[in-house]
Amino acid sequence: GAVVSQHPSWVICKSGTSVKIECRSLDFQATTMFWYRQFPKQSLMLMATSNEGSKATYEQGVEKDKFLINHASLTLSTLTVTSAHPEDSSFYICSARDHRGTDTQYFGPGTRLTVL
Amino acid sequence: AQSVAQPEDQVNVAEGNPLTVKCTYSVSGNPYLFWYVQYPNRGLQFLLKYITGDNLVKGSYGFEAEFNKSQTSFHLKKPSALVSDSALYFCAVRDQAGTALIFGKGTTLSVSS
Repeated sequence: GAVVSQHPSWVICKSGTSVKIECRSLDFQATTMFWYRQFPKQSLMLMATSNEGSKATYEQGVEKDKFLINHASLTLSTLTVTSAHPEDSSFYICSARDHRGTDTQYFGPGTRLTVL
Repeated sequence: AQSVAQPEDQVNVAEGNPLTVKCTYSVSGNPYLFWYVQYPNRGLQFLLKYITGDNLVKGSYGFEAEFNKSQTSFHLKKPSALVSDSALYFCAVRDQAGTALIFGKGTTLSVSS
């Protein structure tokens, strides 16, 4: 199956700093990528849909100025958590939609963010 | 609005026994249905999907799922469970027009030896 990578896999930062998370589709092009957030023992909550070359679409309740998304190429989307606070600590997972006939979303391994 | 229900928080089964993880959905139009598995501190791995065609879908690691339109269900099954199948399983749906997946709350499968 298609491979999606995320970097970093784990990050610890001080409150007030910004953190950038990268999501890459390694063996396919993804015009659409998605960013999810997952709290412990809970389901995935869609944060935003990222389309290559255009502005991301944010779900209701997600602050677009706090969670900056850039989808500059067909294989890379980035999520920047700006001025992070402890309540932003979570597991962030990206996915990329493979349009090559299967139309399946493939997920990255996730990034665990801990804000001190 | 689309929604997915996984009525069981946890399913316990002995190794070698058949397992079923339940999922029901609500969507306007024809559904695109998916099952994913998540191991601790890892992302989601795709297991199988139903788009159209045969109601019984076979996927990775010996899993299969049956689409039942009248019951709006898409239960995940495996004839003989392995201890290594123990993980968190998510059912997801999207409609034909949408692109984002809507996930159920997840079901923890525990297979004992």
